[in-house]
Amino acid sequence: GESVGLHLPTLSVQEGDNSIINCAYSNSASDYFIWYKQESGKGPQFIIDIRSNMDKRQGQRVTVLLNKTVKHLSLQIAATQPGDSAVYFCAEKGPSPKLSFGAGTTVTVRA
Amino acid sequence: DTAVSQTPKYLVTQMGNDKSIKCEQNLGHDTMYWYKQDSKKFLKIMFSYNNKELIINETVPNRFSPKSPDKAHLNLHINSLELGDSAVYFCASSRDTGELFFGEGSRLTVL
Repeated sequence: GESVGLHLPTLSVQEGDNSIINCAYSNSASDYFIWYKQESGKGPQFIIDIRSNMDKRQGQRVTVLLNKTVKHLSLQIAATQPGDSAVYFCAEKGPSPKLSFGAGTTVTVRA
Repeated sequence: DTAVSQTPKYLVTQMGNDKSIKCEQNLGHDTMYWYKQDSKKFLKIMFSYNNKELIINETVPNRFSPKSPDKAHLNLHINSLELGDSAVYFCASSRDTGELFFGEGSRLTVL
């Protein structure tokens, strides 16, 4: 499953499929980007980060891609599992210490 | 063992009252934050302190006053509560350039 365009508030994906969550950021001076996962009733949890001197970074089952030319960030989740159901946020940080969050994408995994 | 802990987890109060939310982190971080999450899950920064010094103060009503007695604590006091203050408030901490670690949130309901 994939969120098409700049941002979709919800994404429904079949268990076992790959998920792609997209995010457009606003500040061209941003040099640090983070993806967070927020489960119901909990605080946001760090998934993966990337700095502006990279365009791809991989973690366990997750990959973040950064396209600075079009100010676009994506999170790919391989073999999506029921435990991946959550709200996902991208966040950007520039020279200031402020971490600004995008609107979240709610991912629902279908069994 | 909780890295960032905030109390209370739930707070229900009447309009016009004054309330406080406390936050403590045991990660040894220098920077702490308060974020507000509205009913649409949008996360917005309110304040940030670095070593007890205020470094971020977004456009927040002056009814909201943060206090940092030491670098491990950042409390949020809210005067004359209004219906629109109902939200989930998240405390977070970070090293200077790294990811933010969030608490579990404090859900404030103003009646």
